Amino acid sequence: AQKVTQAQTEISVVEKEDVTLDCVYETRDTTYYLFWYKQPPSGELVFLIRRNSFDEQNEISGRYSWNFQKSTSSFNFTITASQVVDSAVYFCALSERNYGGSQGNLIFGKGTKLSVKP
Amino acid sequence: GAVVSQHPSWVICKSGTSVKIECRSLDFQATTMFWYRQFPKQSLMLMATSNEGSKATYEQGVEKDKFLINHASLTLSTLTVTSAHPEDSSFYICSAPAPTDTQYFGPGTRLTVL
Repeated sequence: AQKVTQAQTEISVVEKEDVTLDCVYETRDTTYYLFWYKQPPSGELVFLIRRNSFDEQNEISGRYSWNFQKSTSSFNFTITASQVVDSAVYFCALSERNYGGSQGNLIFGKGTKLSVKP
Repeated sequence: GAVVSQHPSWVICKSGTSVKIECRSLDFQATTMFWYRQFPKQSLMLMATSNEGSKATYEQGVEKDKFLINHASLTLSTLTVTSAHPEDSSFYICSAPAPTDTQYFGPGTRLTVL
């Protein structure tokens, strides 16, 4: 069965602190995709990153970085020097291939609400 | 810019009425689109998979006669909430997988049933 676990329900930090959001996934497929999305109060999902199962390279994009570890089925997200504008709910998600090769729906974790205080 | 649009962005209706939500892929064709529902302070849950040219596939517990899905073309899927009730009030979001293996989400529709 596919499952995404975000154990941290809420995190509160002070501006400029580093923060890591945890994500653990379960899947039986060898080909899958992992995603992170940001959801501000407006509700619209903001795409942050997509990773396929064959690419274990960690990625850095500005203050954001991602650590993909297949051995522990984790895909953690770190924000360096957090800012108030980073306050939002962050979702980790998993997608597998459908029969026929097309991308399937996303299975979301419960989300982590990040509050960055000035 | 947005590659998946949704309309309307919010709607308020009376109990018992029907509401139609449109999801359009703007820059690519999508034979499949997904409809999700998100209740306040909860995660997104898949409701159904919309398939162009065939019937939608519904997740367990989602009433297909209540949530009508029509994939009218390769760029348009509609979700109609029939005989809406207050418990149907939620945030509805569609997504479409693009040929680049990226999933694009619409901006969502906030439905409030009075």
